[in-house]
Amino acid sequence: DTGVSQDPRHKITKRGQNVTFRCDPISEHNRLYWYRQTLGQGPEFLTYFQNEAQLEKSRLLSDRFSAERPKGSFSTLEIQRTEQGDSAMYLCASSLIWGQRGNEQFFGPGTRLTVL
Amino acid sequence: AQRVTQPEKLLSVFKGAPVELKCNYSYSGSPELFWYVQYSRQRLQLLLRHISRESIKGFTADLNKGETSFHLKKPFAQEEDSAMYYCVESNAGGTSYGKLTFGQGTILTVHP
Repeated sequence: DTGVSQDPRHKITKRGQNVTFRCDPISEHNRLYWYRQTLGQGPEFLTYFQNEAQLEKSRLLSDRFSAERPKGSFSTLEIQRTEQGDSAMYLCASSLIWGQRGNEQFFGPGTRLTVL
Repeated sequence: AQRVTQPEKLLSVFKGAPVELKCNYSYSGSPELFWYVQYSRQRLQLLLRHISRESIKGFTADLNKGETSFHLKKPFAQEEDSAMYYCVESNAGGTSYGKLTFGQGTILTVHP
């Protein structure tokens, strides 16, 4: 296991198109998180899963955003009808259930989205 | 809402000089605090966590509940310390347990 992986690494799309990102967590990790990072800002929490259950969604996650983790392994984040304001780095992280082994989240390399 | 404030976006020091990256948090309970670091062309990674009271790569951070601060310090900076540093807070319980709140980050540059 080489850590958290994300695909694609870069995505350029036109306004109004739909995009989907994938995240593969570290295999034994129960929790999977999505964050968004815009230029000059720290990452902002979007949503997280414990196994296949989506436990919390940020207000940043509008109706155009949907995330799934159907079998409790990989996750997808879909953005419908993209807008220029969606341009950002989308980060995925995974961890064991919080409270075990020091509460560390392991981050993927991110998917950089550019909406033209 | 939780807030983490890092007042310095940029910090430059010379090799061998002491360095302090400031961080203040707003959570009134018992927060869990971390420093994450991102080196050039690498992914975000944990540097240290306050509950471990550890020193990693010569860095230490002390939680001061009275001042709600968690400043990161190193007595002698090295060029390889140049990176983006994020102060991060996690809720200590409830449904948001484990959700991370990041500061804006401080870019540390250590000059030779």
